[in-house]
Amino acid sequence: EPEVTQTPSHQVTQMGQEVILRCVPISNHLYFYWYRQILGQKVEFLVSFYNNEISEKSEIFDDQFSVERPDGSNFTLKIRSTKLEDSAMYFCASSRTDAPLHFGNGTRLTVT
Amino acid sequence: AQRVTQPEKLLSVFKGAPVELKCNYSYSGSPELFWYVQYSRQRLQLLLRHISRESIKGFTADLNKGETSFHLKKPFAQEEDSAMYYCALMSGGSNYKLTFGKGTLLTVNP
Repeated sequence: EPEVTQTPSHQVTQMGQEVILRCVPISNHLYFYWYRQILGQKVEFLVSFYNNEISEKSEIFDDQFSVERPDGSNFTLKIRSTKLEDSAMYFCASSRTDAPLHFGNGTRLTVT
Repeated sequence: AQRVTQPEKLLSVFKGAPVELKCNYSYSGSPELFWYVQYSRQRLQLLLRHISRESIKGFTADLNKGETSFHLKKPFAQEEDSAMYYCALMSGGSNYKLTFGKGTLLTVNP
């Protein structure tokens, strides 16, 4: 069964640095998402992406965040200048049209 | 705005006992509800979708619009059911965004 893959599984970065989290969605899926989960808290929606543009974003997704689908297979989340509070598990997901969303294994981001 | 509430953070039962994980939602439109499960160190996986009306791994969930609930039930819990369970709501429109509850950690003891 095809899966959403995310790399790296764990990223450690210093405050103020830029990070790029990478995702390869399932190949025939059209909708792409990023969610995050701060330790001990719920899974929160960040952004959805369809037809090469953002279709919805949450309040969390401020100017320091950006997403890109650079080459038709990868879907990236960039955090421009990381803060301590960006430490979380970041999940990528994809879907064909409506649910189910298929999630990746996540990238644990630690900002020190 | 939509909201999903899972009132129990932790739920512990013995093997063979019935289990019910509660989920209530708040949404002005016609919701689509899901249960996702996350086993230790694994990805979020779809367990149930209310429109499918399936039973997966012995779990069922019925959407009760009057009570705005979508509780997950299993008559006889197994140790391998131990996991984090998330109730989620999909709002309408063309976006297919999921709103998750905080999750319930189910532990099934031998």
